[in-house]
Amino acid sequence: RKEVEQDPGPFNVPEGATVAFNCTYSNSASQSFFWYRQDCRKEPKLLMSVYSSGNEDGRFKAQLNRASQYISLLIRDSKLSDSATYLCVVRRSSASKIIFGSGTRLSIRP
Amino acid sequence: GAVVSQHPSWVICKSGTSVKIECRSLDFQATTMFWYRQFPKQSLMLMATSNEGSKATYEQGVEKDKFLINHASLTLSTLTVTSAHPEDSSFYICSAEAPGTGGYEQYFGPGTRLTVT
Repeated sequence: RKEVEQDPGPFNVPEGATVAFNCTYSNSASQSFFWYRQDCRKEPKLLMSVYSSGNEDGRFKAQLNRASQYISLLIRDSKLSDSATYLCVVRRSSASKIIFGSGTRLSIRP
Repeated sequence: GAVVSQHPSWVICKSGTSVKIECRSLDFQATTMFWYRQFPKQSLMLMATSNEGSKATYEQGVEKDKFLINHASLTLSTLTVTSAHPEDSSFYICSAEAPGTGGYEQYFGPGTRLTVT
């Protein structure tokens, strides 16, 4: 079993829709959680950190459920520019390497 | 956010030659940098952790004599692919850590696309 698992998608949704991704992690000692987005043939870019209390940044909302060991990302009012691969990232401690999920592909259609 | 640069952005080389890729943290110091490789339609795979002033830590299955890493300063790490072969063709990405609101966050360079002919 992979340490970080994501639904690979692809998710194909119309512009303006709300879409949500989940990510599960297997190591209960994990401490830090992030969502990155990666465009085709580009490097990953940090979208947002995920806090225990959850956090929002505009149309993006991230939540963490430690009991069930999953992280979610919600995108509201999706835009064409949201089309990308979304990577779930988990870290056990500040001194350990980060673990990437395999990514969820999102495609927004006009 | 923090800025990480990579050079070159793409390179084509002949089989058997060596290629050096540079990774720089532009506006912060990074004691630790990471090197990843990504094949088409696959996720990033960590190759090694580069530590300033000490030897790199390689992931299982990554040949340290083939992928030479040097982290000579707090702002520069280099990856040298020695005796490159076509199967080494890939997208190589480095990252560096910087303190952020979520603890230490990783910032990625723009990547280097290597094609070995």
